[in-house]
Amino acid sequence: NAGVTQTPKFRVLKTGQSMTLLCAQDMNHEYMYWYRQDPGMGLRLIHYSVGEGTTAKGEVPDGYNVSRLKKQNFLLGLESAAPSQTSVYFCASSYHLRSSYNEQFFGPGTRLTVL
Amino acid sequence: DQQVKQNSPSLSVQEGRISILNCDYTNSMFDYFLWYKKYPAEGPTFLISISSIKDKNEDGRFTVFLNKSAKHLSLHIVPSQPGDSAVYFCAASMNYGGSQGNLIFGKGTKLSVKP
Repeated sequence: NAGVTQTPKFRVLKTGQSMTLLCAQDMNHEYMYWYRQDPGMGLRLIHYSVGEGTTAKGEVPDGYNVSRLKKQNFLLGLESAAPSQTSVYFCASSYHLRSSYNEQFFGPGTRLTVL
Repeated sequence: DQQVKQNSPSLSVQEGRISILNCDYTNSMFDYFLWYKKYPAEGPTFLISISSIKDKNEDGRFTVFLNKSAKHLSLHIVPSQPGDSAVYFCAASMNYGGSQGNLIFGKGTKLSVKP
């Protein structure tokens, strides 16, 4: 049981390049999330998904797109990377949304640098 | 406007003593609160949670207290151990509405436990 995994762990991009971050979970969770963490800013929600084939915007969605084609995978895309997107990206998943048990399980993170 | 606030960026405590981490929130609609612990280069891990119908939840050395009238919660670690040194995030959610279940994180408090 690997939990939540993220690929890649590190990446350096040039401004304007595109890339996709992959998140996978093996806990059969319905809900998946993408966050970014910046120094002194805590964790901010980018996009989330409440089930296969569904996505929704979070607090800071601009410049990112997501897809949830399979229940176990949640992809985060940057179409044209900008230096402001330099951050650590965390994926998370949770089992139950409408209950008190919406504990989210996090992946190890992807450190992205945009030059 | 920050809905979840951790006003102390850092806290230093001697091993064996009590660590008290504080968190304030502004939205009275929050009904579930969580604490996450994060080590460097790792994803956050769930520590303890509390529902708004309770004022205390205990799990081993960790106790979370909730004061709804003051919109304040605190995490007590007794006794503190060097392995507790990490960044602690407070998070809140509301289980209804358009953003049901999404977690709103504070900026974190870095705890250092000195031997």
